[in-house]
Amino acid sequence: TQLLEQSPQFLSIQEGENLTVYCNSSSVFSSLQWYRQEPGEGPVLLVTVVTGGEVKKLKRLTFQFGDARKDSSLHITAAQPGDTGLYLCAGETGTASKLTFGTGTRLQVTL
Amino acid sequence: SAVISQKPSRDICQRGTSLTIQCQVDSQVTMMFWYRQQPGQSLTLIATANQGSEATYESGFVIDKFPISRPNLTFSTLTVSNMSPEDSSIYLCSVAPVNTQYFGPGTRLTVL
Repeated sequence: TQLLEQSPQFLSIQEGENLTVYCNSSSVFSSLQWYRQEPGEGPVLLVTVVTGGEVKKLKRLTFQFGDARKDSSLHITAAQPGDTGLYLCAGETGTASKLTFGTGTRLQVTL
Repeated sequence: SAVISQKPSRDICQRGTSLTIQCQVDSQVTMMFWYRQQPGQSLTLIATANQGSEATYESGFVIDKFPISRPNLTFSTLTVSNMSPEDSSIYLCSVAPVNTQYFGPGTRLTVL
């Protein structure tokens, strides 16, 4: 069974702070995706990383895929209340688009 | 992209009953996926539904408990059978038309 462990599980910070969420596994993935989920909604894709060592930026969010394609990180700069939500990483093994989701990181950003 | 709707959005059911959840996509897709998200937790894949063949279930999930239909390329149903309080979860369907997964809004099920 492939496991994706995220840390931290919970994070409560103030607006303007920076944070990093980690997603670790002992398995190799063909790609890794990051999602954000808000209450009452399904997860929404933020980014997909495919190449080992790849770095992608989405405004204040920076995503990195580990060289060995087993881990990833999400860094948010100057967090805003709108960043509040459940962040999920998900690894794809290349088998018919099946995803294994990480354990999740619940982020709350307060004024 | 793909727009997905689910019905019902939420329901409260009695123990021992069954509930069928519908998933409608605005475009034709080969595979549809059903996930369960237990309270405060991440998503777990229940099964993959292909049109014209039986669904493929993940370890820990069986067809008798979670029968799935896939009558055409835009629609699928998931039934949660003989429910118990442990089945209280959010059930989500998703599709992956071009290597990107899109999720429905989910069905929040509470079993009393």
